[in-house]
Amino acid sequence: GAVVSQHPSWVICKSGTSVKIECRSLDFQATTMFWYRQFPKQSLMLMATSNEGSKATYEQGVEKDKFLINHASLTLSTLTVTSAHPEDSSFYICSATGTKNTEAFFGQGTRLTVV
Amino acid sequence: RKEVEQDPGPFNVPEGATVAFNCTYSNSASQSFFWYRQDCRKEPKLLMSVYSSGNEDGRFTAQLNRASQYISLLIRDSKLSDSATYLCVVRDNFNKFYFGSGTKLNVKP
Repeated sequence: GAVVSQHPSWVICKSGTSVKIECRSLDFQATTMFWYRQFPKQSLMLMATSNEGSKATYEQGVEKDKFLINHASLTLSTLTVTSAHPEDSSFYICSATGTKNTEAFFGQGTRLTVV
Repeated sequence: RKEVEQDPGPFNVPEGATVAFNCTYSNSASQSFFWYRQDCRKEPKLLMSVYSSGNEDGRFTAQLNRASQYISLLIRDSKLSDSATYLCVVRDNFNKFYFGSGTKLNVKP
């Protein structure tokens, strides 16, 4: 299957700092990328959808100024958690799909801990 | 109302048992349907797509009922390695993917 690489796998940061997470599609052109958040023992919650070259569409309740998403190319999307707080600690996962894909392919996830 | 609803379980079954998971979705315009498997602290991985005619992959059988907006997954001859959370996923007509809360399966020796 197609490969999506997410980096970093885990990160610990101080409260108030910003963290950038990268999501790359390695062997296909990802026209659409999705960012999810998963708290312990809960389901994946869609945060936003981004299409290459256009602004991301955020789900209700997700602050666009706090979670900055950039999808400047067909192989890379980034999520920046700005002014992180302990309550932002979570497992963040990206997924990508291309025009020839019906299913979504997932990155390995990033475990963010804000202290 | 959630886009995709699943019984959270857990389902605790002995090795060799047959177990069935169900899922319902709310958007009648949904285009594609999948079952993903997620192991603890890992990303979801595609288990199988679900087709209108029903499909089988080894010990796994998936079925779709569009009229009832219902999807199922049947696992036969359960193995210890089948223990995981199974996620029902639906892709809508705007290409968004929605996940159910997942059904946890514990297969015991």
